[in-house]
Amino acid sequence: LAKTTQPISMDSYEGQEVNITCSHNNIATNDYITWYQQFPSQGPRFIIQGYKTKVTNEVASLFIPADRKSSTLSLPRVSLSDTAVYYCLVVGAGGGNKLTFGTGTQLKVEL
Amino acid sequence: DSGVTQTPKHLITATGQRVTLRCSPRSGDLSVYWYQQSLDQGLQFLIQYYNGEERAKGNILERFSAQQFPDLHSELNLSSLELGDSALYFCASTTSGSPTEAFFGQGTRLTVV
Repeated sequence: LAKTTQPISMDSYEGQEVNITCSHNNIATNDYITWYQQFPSQGPRFIIQGYKTKVTNEVASLFIPADRKSSTLSLPRVSLSDTAVYYCLVVGAGGGNKLTFGTGTQLKVEL
Repeated sequence: DSGVTQTPKHLITATGQRVTLRCSPRSGDLSVYWYQQSLDQGLQFLIQYYNGEERAKGNILERFSAQQFPDLHSELNLSSLELGDSALYFCASTTSGSPTEAFFGQGTRLTVV
């Protein structure tokens, strides 16, 4: 099971781009990288998933280098409502996955 | 709305008691996951079921048990409750045995007094 490491916290201001990097040195060939967002007292919400290179959706972009040992979640022009905990997960394509969440990154966005 | 329904939303009970938390996954989702989140703590994976069968087990206490029924809803049973079991309990569902995009319920807040 690939362990992930990400910063405990980050601060930003409204309108800025935020990049949160996750390290997953032991990622396996069939693992995907998935990011979730969680607000206090709510269940996590899926943001984006990727295998390699770059993935973009209406909410974020995910950059994965060729060696796949890290990934970067990019949130463009954050607002106060983006203040949340962001989790990076490495998820195997096979069954029996524990969908294990690490400690996450607490992002605080200020005016 | 994620489509995952958890009941009850809140539960207050005394130490030593037994409770059952219920989760209805999204329509068509075969896999259900249970998590425990204590105050200011991360999400602790408890157990996963896929189409009625246990698939993966995490740090689930022996006092806790779960099952998934033929209609795919799942129940998490917590017995001999202790104060430390007070937490938010989430369930999530995915469309296959391999978690890709998981959908989480709003959780059940359990308070043990």
